[in-house]
Amino acid sequence: QQQVKQSPQSLIVQKGGISIINCAYENTAFDYFPWYQQFPGKGPALLIAIRPDVSEKKEGRFTISFNKSAKQFSLHIMDSQPGDSATYFCAASMDAQAGTALIFGKGTTLSVSS
Amino acid sequence: KAGVTQTPRYLIKTRGQQVTLSCSPISGHRSVSWYQQTPGQGLQFLFEYFSETQRNKGNFPGRFSGRQFSNSRSEMNVSTLELGDSALYLCASSPRTGWYEQFFGPGTRLTVL
Repeated sequence: QQQVKQSPQSLIVQKGGISIINCAYENTAFDYFPWYQQFPGKGPALLIAIRPDVSEKKEGRFTISFNKSAKQFSLHIMDSQPGDSATYFCAASMDAQAGTALIFGKGTTLSVSS
Repeated sequence: KAGVTQTPRYLIKTRGQQVTLSCSPISGHRSVSWYQQTPGQGLQFLFEYFSETQRNKGNFPGRFSGRQFSNSRSEMNVSTLELGDSALYLCASSPRTGWYEQFFGPGTRLTVL
């Protein structure tokens, strides 16, 4: 019930195309859903995050779509660029009295070809 | 503002040894979390420290331990190293416990031979 399942494992997209990464969760106590971007040799960096009271959040070319009833959320990268080539992780967290822990998906390696 | 710093960046140890990794959070951040990243298991939560107290712990054996100092700097220790402990160990800080956004350091790459 603590898992976050992410797909696909890898993705190849043409420059200018749309990249879509999907995640699903089981624990309805999760109330924060971030996406992290990681480049080789670097730590993950927060890209965009959403709370379950909204169905969509957009920041520049990055959009999170959230479906509370299906317990799914996805990241859309519009006009994908070679510089977007990285590993993307979805995650989930809850406001717990015992502290904070991010539960991560296994990651998606995105390659944007020019 | 300086980001999260971790030392050392790379470490090679042999089985049975112990290792200590260090993390300095962003100035003003009082919560420090540790994560293990491996190709097979991905990113897994180890533990969180806030105000020198462990607030939360992931599903790792007791060989993994940590502590936090009064200046919020944190160390994690792994005793009796096993080959499977080879991983990237990431530290993340946030202003306080229960603060959702976490800021990650570059990690320490531990190789166990």
